[in-house]
Amino acid sequence: EDQVTQSPEALRLQEGESSSLNCSYTVSGLRGLFWYRQDPGKGPEFLFTLYSAGEEKEKERLKATLTKKESFLHITAPKPEDSATYLCAVPNNFNKFYFGSGTKLNVKP
Amino acid sequence: NAGVTQTPKFRVLKTGQSMTLLCAQDMNHEYMYWYRQDPGMGLRLIHYSVGEGTTAKGEVPDGYNVSRLKKQNFLLGLESAAPSQTSVYFCASTPVSGANVLTFGAGSRLTVL
Repeated sequence: EDQVTQSPEALRLQEGESSSLNCSYTVSGLRGLFWYRQDPGKGPEFLFTLYSAGEEKEKERLKATLTKKESFLHITAPKPEDSATYLCAVPNNFNKFYFGSGTKLNVKP
Repeated sequence: NAGVTQTPKFRVLKTGQSMTLLCAQDMNHEYMYWYRQDPGMGLRLIHYSVGEGTTAKGEVPDGYNVSRLKKQNFLLGLESAAPSQTSVYFCASTPVSGANVLTFGAGSRLTVL
């Protein structure tokens, strides 16, 4: 069964306290793994796409990595404006996207 | 460039009423999707379309119907609304080829009393 699981459900960090979010998947015909950021009351916004194990992408304080079974979103020295829900999604080979339930990140100043 | 536009943004219905949510995209994307988002359950696919005139069922299609008569529009219908359909609905689109990045609308919050 195609499935995407994210952990933890919620994460509270102090400003500057680095951490990682996890996304594990069992999707047939993997065609990439996508990370999105969602702010309250808005639609998800695209962050990264990873296509093969070992690949890494960076954007400001965020770095996404991919293995054969999971992806990590590393947040280095986060700021309060990084507070959001982070979603990962995996499309199968019919372009159906499966989403995890998300990690709600709260960064306290 | 508007991207993906959803209307209405908010709606309150009584049980048994019907309504249609409209999604419009101006990016010439082939694929369009309707998701619902509930607390703790992430985004769940309701229906999707791989091109004009096509529709297909997603994970949670019961109680919903869709139509894609024009490439740029994807309509989601509720024939007889139920309280269990209270949710935030998101439309998304993606081109056939390329990075397959989903572009989302801002969402439509539906409450069924």
